[in-house]
Amino acid sequence: QQQVKQSPQSLIVQKGGISIINCAYENTAFDYFPWYQQFPGKGPALLIAIRPDVSEKKEGRFTISFNKSAKQFSLHIMDSQPGDSATYFCAAIYLSGNTGKLIFGQGTTLQVKP
Amino acid sequence: DGGITQSPKYLFRKEGQNVTLSCEQNLNHDAMYWYRQDPGQGLRLIYYSQIVNDFQKGDIAEGYSVSREKKESFPLTVTSAQKNPTAFYLCASSIQLSSGEQYFGPGTRLTVT
Repeated sequence: QQQVKQSPQSLIVQKGGISIINCAYENTAFDYFPWYQQFPGKGPALLIAIRPDVSEKKEGRFTISFNKSAKQFSLHIMDSQPGDSATYFCAAIYLSGNTGKLIFGQGTTLQVKP
Repeated sequence: DGGITQSPKYLFRKEGQNVTLSCEQNLNHDAMYWYRQDPGQGLRLIYYSQIVNDFQKGDIAEGYSVSREKKESFPLTVTSAQKNPTAFYLCASSIQLSSGEQYFGPGTRLTVT
């Protein structure tokens, strides 16, 4: 119930291509879905986030698509660049529950080839 | 510059020794967290703290201990009871417990032999 399942585990994309990472959740109480980006040897940093009352959020080349009925959300990276090579984590949290527990997916390692 | 500092970046210990990882933040955040990261397993919550002198166990607290004597500091002790202590440890903070945005430190890589 508390899990967030992320796929694929690893992804290789050519420069200029579209990278797509998918996540699924079970707990319908989750009300905030952030994505974190982590470069090797560094801590993760918030990339983009969405609430379940919208179906899409776009920030530059990064877009979150959200499907509430399917309990799925995905990150699309348009025009992928070698600098986007990193590990990406989706996450979910029940903000109103005040537990502070961000539930993370297992992570996707993205490699963008020049 | 505001942020979270973790020291040291790399730490080596012999099996059977306790070791303490440092985490300091100057963001004036109330909540702080410790995560453990292993390849292919994502981020697993060890302990978290909402306010000074209060902390809660996360999903994998066994073999770890924490203290929160000051708002800025949340040290993690990896005890000899932790069976597989070698990992990348991340400290994070957020404005309050019910915040989806956590700020992470650069991490400490602990190797126990």
